[in-house]
Amino acid sequence: DIQMTQSPSSLSASVGDRVTITCRASQSISSSLNWYQQKPGKAPDLLIYDASSLHSGVPPRFSGGGSGTDFTLTISSLQPEDFATYYCQQSYSTAFTFGRGTKLEIK
Amino acid sequence: QVQLVESGGGVVQPGRSLRLSCAASGFSFSNYAMYWVRQAPGKGQEWVAVISYDGRNTYYADSVKGRLTISRDNSKNTLYLQMNSLRAEDTAVYYCARDRQIITIGATFDIWGQGTMVTVSS
Repeated sequence: DIQMTQSPSSLSASVGDRVTITCRASQSISSSLNWYQQKPGKAPDLLIYDASSLHSGVPPRFSGGGSGTDFTLTISSLQPEDFATYYCQQSYSTAFTFGRGTKLEIK
Repeated sequence: QVQLVESGGGVVQPGRSLRLSCAASGFSFSNYAMYWVRQAPGKGQEWVAVISYDGRNTYYADSVKGRLTISRDNSKNTLYLQMNSLRAEDTAVYYCARDRQIITIGATFDIWGQGTMVTVSS
């Protein structure tokens, strides 16, 4: 199975900050990489698909980049509602593995 | 309104069975591949199984192969997960999810249910 490694595992930041989360695949997955946001007690929400495409309704302060094995999720200016856990997930091959998550907390 | 609603979770003893259901509404269910994804307490997400739009193709995570079975009834707009020989490590919130694209198994999950908790304990 393809392993997905996210970093950092947790991150403290302030409203208005620019933050970047990284995700590395254990082998090339082309651009088959998705990002999700999850808040406590809720299901994940799709943010970015195919590495850099913004899902419908997602604010443009979210952006994704990368291809091959290295990917990033960037939030350009943190808003209070952005404090959550973020997961990457590869859609290249079964078992469609997820990263372990990055918890974004308020500083 | 596009919606997925899971049901059927609960507490079950190791070795026993349980069947989860996921009722879909607000979209053409028969056009989409559907998935089960689970999240153990305090852990991240784990993909469990996928079924093609027409039910002809299914794929499973190695951890559940031979014990869990995904199926669908397009006439009822309902997805199922039959869970047999349950183990403690199957304890998790189980989500059903829809593929972002019609027909294909693209493994991008754009609509999720609220989840149903399964606890395997004696």
